Amino acid sequence: DAGVIQSPRHEVTEMGQEVTLRCKPISGHDYLFWYRQTMMRGLELLIYFNNNVPIDDSGMPEDRFSAKMPNASFSTLKIQPSEPRDSAVYFCASTHTAENTEAFFGQGTRLTVV
Amino acid sequence: AQSVSQHNHHVILSEAASLELGCNYSYGGTVNLFWYVQYPGQHLQLLLKYFSGDPLVKGIKGFEAEFIKSKFSFNLRKPSVQWSDTAEYFCAVNAPSGTYKYIFGTGTRLKVLA
Repeated sequence: DAGVIQSPRHEVTEMGQEVTLRCKPISGHDYLFWYRQTMMRGLELLIYFNNNVPIDDSGMPEDRFSAKMPNASFSTLKIQPSEPRDSAVYFCASTHTAENTEAFFGQGTRLTVV
Repeated sequence: AQSVSQHNHHVILSEAASLELGCNYSYGGTVNLFWYVQYPGQHLQLLLKYFSGDPLVKGIKGFEAEFIKSKFSFNLRKPSVQWSDTAEYFCAVNAPSGTYKYIFGTGTRLKVLA
């Protein structure tokens, strides 16, 4: 398996624009997590899904943030409108509960909002 | 709710020095524990994990960690660090019978001087 795949790797956008980050989890994994990493706050859990259903979105900072998982192999994190303080690295991770294993991380998307 | 505390935010060591990074978690039930490493500009990679059994866990690159249930601790150790160990280290906890989300500590930045 190619691992968790995120796209794009880098995104630079202007304030006010819509940004969509994409994630393809490892095939067969039933949990998917979105994290945001900043110098100030470290690694924050934004939202996670189990079998494509959002379980806990309490970490989503504002209504400007939304996430979907239309099927088992794809998830998106959208920010609309984007603001400079959204600049961070966004990581997606997945795991399989039945295998009792760790979370596997993607390479991340570095977002810069100017 | 789960939480993780990492006491050392920045650590500077010379090569061949011994390393111990502290990690304490807060959760009343059964936990799975992890240490991840993040090399500059890269994603998080698993160093080692504890699910059950022997509380002394050995991971990759000579790292080990000891789970002390009475102290809610899972400290990371390495007897002799190398320059290539320069990275950020994250402790994480997951509650397999609870919400199953992975909660991370704020990380410890390790710099090893050659």
